Amino acid sequence: AQSVSQHNHHVILSEAASLELGCNYSYGGTVNLFWYVQYPGQHLQLLLKYFSGDPLVKGIKGFEAEFIKSKFSFNLRKPSVQWSDTAEYFCAVGSSASKIIFGSGTRLSIRP
Amino acid sequence: GAVVSQHPSWVICKSGTSVKIECRSLDFQATTMFWYRQFPKQSLMLMATSNEGSKATYEQGVEKDKFLINHASLTLSTLTVTSAHPEDSSFYICSARKQGVGSYNSPLHFGNGTRLTVT
Repeated sequence: AQSVSQHNHHVILSEAASLELGCNYSYGGTVNLFWYVQYPGQHLQLLLKYFSGDPLVKGIKGFEAEFIKSKFSFNLRKPSVQWSDTAEYFCAVGSSASKIIFGSGTRLSIRP
Repeated sequence: GAVVSQHPSWVICKSGTSVKIECRSLDFQATTMFWYRQFPKQSLMLMATSNEGSKATYEQGVEKDKFLINHASLTLSTLTVTSAHPEDSSFYICSARKQGVGSYNSPLHFGNGTRLTVT
């Protein structure tokens, strides 16, 4: 069975700081990886996804993530965060069973 | 496009009663819908996979007799919490995947969630 770990539960940064949120997964087969974001009071939205090909994936709003197969990781990055990036970020893995399993989420707080 | 509507957005019910939550894909057809439960400050926990025209597939530990799922059409899935108890109070979120778009690698579209409070 697949599983996803997000080790950072709460990250606090100042505006313009660089961001990296960790995500590690466990699954024996071919995986597809996702990052979703949930802004306060809103529903989950897809930030980016990895299916195959270039392991460096560009998403919306300046986010990117890198799939490192040897480390079973799919960390989310942004070079310079903004106050509007305050949200909860979920890493997720999809399997051939059509299920998508989510990590525990990382709350990102940006100090203006 | 790809809008998922969930209704109601919040509901308060008395212990022992049943509550139905609807999940509709407004502008696409969804053969598969998923029901998640989110506890405060925790992640989304997949409860079940709802397949149009067939029985739902429940995750381990989820009581299928308590959480009844019906996916009667390509645009509607319902979750009924039967004989609700205070410990069922939670945030329930549905998501849907577009019909015919690849397979498991297509992204999900989420509803806004339903906050259930059982008193």
